[in-house]
Amino acid sequence: DAKTTQPPSMDCAEGRAANLPCNHSTISGNEYVYWYRQIHSQGPQYIIHGLKNNETNEMASLIITEDRKSSTLILPHATLRDTAVYYCIARGYGGATNKLIFGTGTLLAVQP
Amino acid sequence: GAGVSQSPSNKVTEKGKDVELRCDPISGHTALYWYRQRLGQGLEFLIYFQGNSAPDKSGLPSDRFSAERTGESVSTLTIQRTQQEDSAVYLCASSPQMSVRFGSPLHFGNGTRLTVT
Repeated sequence: DAKTTQPPSMDCAEGRAANLPCNHSTISGNEYVYWYRQIHSQGPQYIIHGLKNNETNEMASLIITEDRKSSTLILPHATLRDTAVYYCIARGYGGATNKLIFGTGTLLAVQP
Repeated sequence: GAGVSQSPSNKVTEKGKDVELRCDPISGHTALYWYRQRLGQGLEFLIYFQGNSAPDKSGLPSDRFSAERTGESVSTLTIQRTQQEDSAVYLCASSPQMSVRFGSPLHFGNGTRLTVT
């Protein structure tokens, strides 16, 4: 699976949009981009995933560049409860596992 | 509906003892994963089950670690002769049959916090 690169930390004001970047310049054609978050003392929570089209659900939006080398997770109106570590993962299909390889993620701190 | 359930939520054990950690996945989920997270660290993959078989055990750190799954449901992670470096949160996740279109995201439990004294 392709390696992803994320900033170690970001701040965001409560009520504002949080835009979390992720670079995945070596992503291959069969790899999806997944986003998870981990709130302190909890297991990771699935947020959203996409292949090449932009995606939106009740939690967030995912914007993937046309060349698929980077993406941005957007939380449209961040709240204090969105403070968490956010993981961007490139996950391929096929093979024996389809496991997720977690990097170090971005610690998003939402400030009041 | 019910999510992934792990028990116990906390376990303190003495060095050298054996421990068993249990995972109850979401009903109908065929894939099951175990991860380990040391304090302040990221998630380390341990083992993956598809049904009752484990095609990928590549993350198990030593032969003291083993896992099994029965009835395509409950899984148990066993650590023999525990060491202090085994102290961590052990997380279990499950997902439905792989679907390229729907992505089959992993659903995680809240983990078992293991402390080896």
